[in-house]
Amino acid sequence: AQSVTQLDSHVSVSEGTPVLLRCNYSSSYSPSLFWYVQHPNKGLQLLLKYTSAATLVKGINGFEAEFKKSETSFHLTKPSAHMSDAAEYFCVVSDTGSYIPTFGRGTSLIVHP
Amino acid sequence: GAGVSQSPSNKVTEKGKDVELRCDPISGHTALYWYRQSLGQGLEFLIYFQGNSAPDKSGLPSDRFSAERTGGSVSTLTIQRTQQEDSAVYLCASSLGLAGAATDTQYFGPGTRLTVL
Repeated sequence: AQSVTQLDSHVSVSEGTPVLLRCNYSSSYSPSLFWYVQHPNKGLQLLLKYTSAATLVKGINGFEAEFKKSETSFHLTKPSAHMSDAAEYFCVVSDTGSYIPTFGRGTSLIVHP
Repeated sequence: GAGVSQSPSNKVTEKGKDVELRCDPISGHTALYWYRQSLGQGLEFLIYFQGNSAPDKSGLPSDRFSAERTGGSVSTLTIQRTQQEDSAVYLCASSLGLAGAATDTQYFGPGTRLTVL
């Protein structure tokens, strides 16, 4: 069985400061893990994904995430937040052989000037 | 190229009416998903189509919900006798449908916002 928990419903940062969005997962098999971003009134867009290659995954717009099997975590980070990063972020897990991913409840990132 | 499109973008209906929501996936994508997103919630899986295989309907919340996919392309989600709790954003996504489906990137449409009065 697969599940995912996003530990914060809201994260507030100042522009130019680091971003950390936390995600823990549970998976019966080797998981694929994704982060998607949703800007207001838009569909979801892939930021990055982990598929059992390098544990440190780099995505678009300066985001990256590290797969830590021992901690069952896949936290999303960015060194310096921009105003345009304000959006909803979803962590997603999918077991090997599964075609139905499980989405977290989302973390709303608020960026203050 | 064109992304996933959905229509209408907004739909307001009265309780008890039927509604149809349309999804046009990316050309060549064999997998198609419908999700429901309620305020403050994650995405709830509804139904999955893969090529010509029978769809996985395990996420449909009641028999008032149905979906079809014609010619392996366009999909329609139908909700009969709508209820107020059906109010949500309905998202469609498509993917290549590779053998390793777990690793597929999904491409999402902008969604249809359904409001049931």
